Amino acid sequence: DTAVSQTPKYLVTQMGNDKSIKCEQNLGHDTMYWYKQDSKKFLKIMFSYNNKELIINETVPNRFSPKSPDKAHLNLHINSLELGDSAVYFCASSSTGDSSYEQYFGPGTRLTVT
Amino acid sequence: GEDVEQSLFLSVREGDSSVINCTYTDSSSTYLYWYKQEPGAGLQLLTYIFSNMDMKQDQRLTVLLNKKDKHLSLRIADTQTGDSAIYFCAEMPSGTYKYIFGTGTRLKVLA
Repeated sequence: DTAVSQTPKYLVTQMGNDKSIKCEQNLGHDTMYWYKQDSKKFLKIMFSYNNKELIINETVPNRFSPKSPDKAHLNLHINSLELGDSAVYFCASSSTGDSSYEQYFGPGTRLTVT
Repeated sequence: GEDVEQSLFLSVREGDSSVINCTYTDSSSTYLYWYKQEPGAGLQLLTYIFSNMDMKQDQRLTVLLNKKDKHLSLRIADTQTGDSAIYFCAEMPSGTYKYIFGTGTRLKVLA
């Protein structure tokens, strides 16, 4: 059983397009995250939702808009894609009821903007 | 600043021990974590340590924590080729749910 899943795994698109990445977790967690990993493997948090409420919103262009329809899903929509958006995007989840706040990651979505 | 620092590269011979170091930034962090990322995959939680502990051992993994120096290390005993990956430390400052990841250490195990 996949704990945190993302679709699509690969996404190739042209500059200026709008695209979405979807994430689902079946762990019963109440908090979900989006991270961006660049070509040097640096991992930066972008957003976090707790019980569908935005709790972390890092300095990210407003072309990026997260949406959480329910606790198990967190989607990321990107408008007007730019070359610099090319990266691997990871979804993750954790539970605030878990004393050690362990985070579980999805397999990633490799976005390539041409 | 918010940078959690790690050495970028480490190369060891199969069977040797590997030690990956991390300097974190926030002394309020209650838990500190080690993750492993294999090529083309997401991050996998390896282990974590509570801030009131100095050491935690989990099979081949030993985590050492020096709170005074804000220094965390991961020792892998009897390193195998399957341990080749990027290893990230992470902290979560108290009162936030924001994980701050280190720069990652790429471990290469030579046969």
